[in-house]
Amino acid sequence: GNSVTQMEGPVTLSEEAFLTINCTYTATGYPSLFWYVQYPGEGLQLLLKATKADDKGSNKGFEATYRKETTSFHLEKGSVQVSDSAVYFCALITNAGKSTFGDGTTLTVKP
Amino acid sequence: DAGVIQSPRHEVTEMGQEVTLRCKPISGHNSLFWYRQTMMRGLELLIYFNNNVPIDDSGMPEDRFSAKMPNASFSTLKIQPSEPRDSAVYFCASKASTYEQYFGPGTRLTVT
Repeated sequence: GNSVTQMEGPVTLSEEAFLTINCTYTATGYPSLFWYVQYPGEGLQLLLKATKADDKGSNKGFEATYRKETTSFHLEKGSVQVSDSAVYFCALITNAGKSTFGDGTTLTVKP
Repeated sequence: DAGVIQSPRHEVTEMGQEVTLRCKPISGHNSLFWYRQTMMRGLELLIYFNNNVPIDDSGMPEDRFSAKMPNASFSTLKIQPSEPRDSAVYFCASKASTYEQYFGPGTRLTVT
């Protein structure tokens, strides 16, 4: 079956540090890939997406590139802020509409 | 757009009671998903509907759980009887023909 493996957390960084959260996936066919963010007490919000190989999704300074050769979709940000503290989920959705989420990675950014 | 609406936001009930969670998807969306989130198991897909029809309910933990979608604007997730291990945050999400899902704020269920 399909699976998404995320870098284990928690991740703690100082403000303005570089962020990478690794995500690899296993799926048949050509899934679409997503990063969602969850702030405390809230639902998941779509952060960015990529629907085909070599696509780069970007939003709010975050980026991720769909790498089919390595089945990866790593999340990066050049300079994190305290307000980026949240739980980040990598996810895939197949053409049939079935979704699979990673376990989530908790990011804490300290001033 | 109001987004996905879930009710109640918080529910506390005693073991053995029936619990009904409600969801109103975004207007025009044709797929609806129910998830459960716990510290131990993370985010789990319970069931999803396409055009009001259940497509995959393999994530429903057991027969105590049931979900319905009588029309395009309403869905329920029912637990009968509830047990303490059902305590979790339950999310509803919907999507249109594009791939991204939009999540509701969740219902925090506590079963004592």
